[in-house]
Amino acid sequence: QKEVEQNSGPLSVPEGAIASLNCTYSDRVSQSFFWYRQYSGKSPELIMSIYSNGDKEDGRFTAQLNKASQYVSLLIRDSQPSDSATYLCAVGSGGNMLTFGGGTRLMVKP
Amino acid sequence: GAVVSQHPSRVICKSGTSVKIECRSLDFQATTMFWYRQFPKKSLMLMATSNEGSKATYEQGVEKDKFLINHASLTLSTLTVTSAHPEDSSFYICSASRLREGRADTQYFGPGTRLTVL
Repeated sequence: QKEVEQNSGPLSVPEGAIASLNCTYSDRVSQSFFWYRQYSGKSPELIMSIYSNGDKEDGRFTAQLNKASQYVSLLIRDSQPSDSATYLCAVGSGGNMLTFGGGTRLMVKP
Repeated sequence: GAVVSQHPSRVICKSGTSVKIECRSLDFQATTMFWYRQFPKKSLMLMATSNEGSKATYEQGVEKDKFLINHASLTLSTLTVTSAHPEDSSFYICSASRLREGRADTQYFGPGTRLTVL
């Protein structure tokens, strides 16, 4: 059984701070890693994908992957109230299937 | 790019009726389409996976005769909830996957359909 674990939160950070969201996965042969953002009542939207160990930056977002530790994280710099949402970690092990974590709810307080 | 649409966005129906939800990939050909449902404040639950021209693969516990999936083309999949009951009320979301850099697993989500069965 492939598992993807996330702390459900809520994670509360002040506006302007760095939000750090974490995800661990059980399948060692996982190849693809994704972060999605889901606002309340809306569907998930893709923020970032990462496939290799290390950091990948896109604007205020940085994804970090450590395959040896089976750990992927998302950093959000200069957090804004509009970043308040549930962040879903998804892991692919080849093929078309993704395994989703339960999501971490982020609250950015003005 | 990678836009997925869903129609309708919201539907209210009477118990016992059937409801069809369409999912379209607007600017790419989807290798695979997925159907999820989500209850309030709960995680996404995968219902089924469909590839164009073949039968859908349903997750354990999902009744294939109740949730009919048709994947007629590389840009269109439909989910029909047959003989809907109030417990079928939920947020139904489709996603589409495309080949990119040799990987077929990037999923792009439609906006979702909120179904309410009275």
